Amino acid sequence: AQSVTQLDSHVSVSEGTPVLLRCNYSSSYSPSLFWYVQHPNKGLQLLLKYTSAATLVKGINGFEAEFKKSETSFHLTKPSAHMSDAAEYFCVVSDHLDTGRRALTFGSGTRLQVQP
Amino acid sequence: DGGITQSPKYLFRKEGQNVTLSCEQNLNHDAMYWYRQDPGQGLRLIYYSQIVNDFQKGDIAEGYSVSREKKESFPLTVTSAQKNPTAFYLCASSRDSPNYGYTFGSGTRLTVV
Repeated sequence: AQSVTQLDSHVSVSEGTPVLLRCNYSSSYSPSLFWYVQHPNKGLQLLLKYTSAATLVKGINGFEAEFKKSETSFHLTKPSAHMSDAAEYFCVVSDHLDTGRRALTFGSGTRLQVQP
Repeated sequence: DGGITQSPKYLFRKEGQNVTLSCEQNLNHDAMYWYRQDPGQGLRLIYYSQIVNDFQKGDIAEGYSVSREKKESFPLTVTSAQKNPTAFYLCASSRDSPNYGYTFGSGTRLTVV
């Protein structure tokens, strides 16, 4: 069963407008959740992580995400998009209590385009 | 600066050849991981290792092999049994639990010619 689902494969916004990248997870426990960003032909960089502390998590480059247990969601937002935000974004879950596997599970990714 | 280094950046393989991708870290991390990335499929786990001389299969281990003889190194061999090896390969490391998050290398792009 898919433990993390990114609801949009592509999102396009205009520079200066808000960004919303959606992610839902499934877990029998309280998982650790992450957002990573990948620029073309590069490795992945950690944007932010949730590990059962505050439900609103602030990350780098003005991004933040809110953990909503009742909705099993962990959506990524940014108030104002910049051209440099154009990249692929991955929602990631640590679900080893469900799977018995001590490794992260990645969503399929959302490609963010920023129009001038 | 500590980090994780993958080499080579680009690799070309002929049909029927084995190739080995290098991954080295100087972060003193206990755990290391290999993922394969294909367009539209996110990252899929090939193998991971929590400690030296021990490793576990991930979701797509067939046609791949690994070793973990040193804490710093986790090489991946793509064997001739891997039917579709053309992909972007990413190595990562973490402290003992993945809950801390990963540090990624910059990747190796493997192409079969």
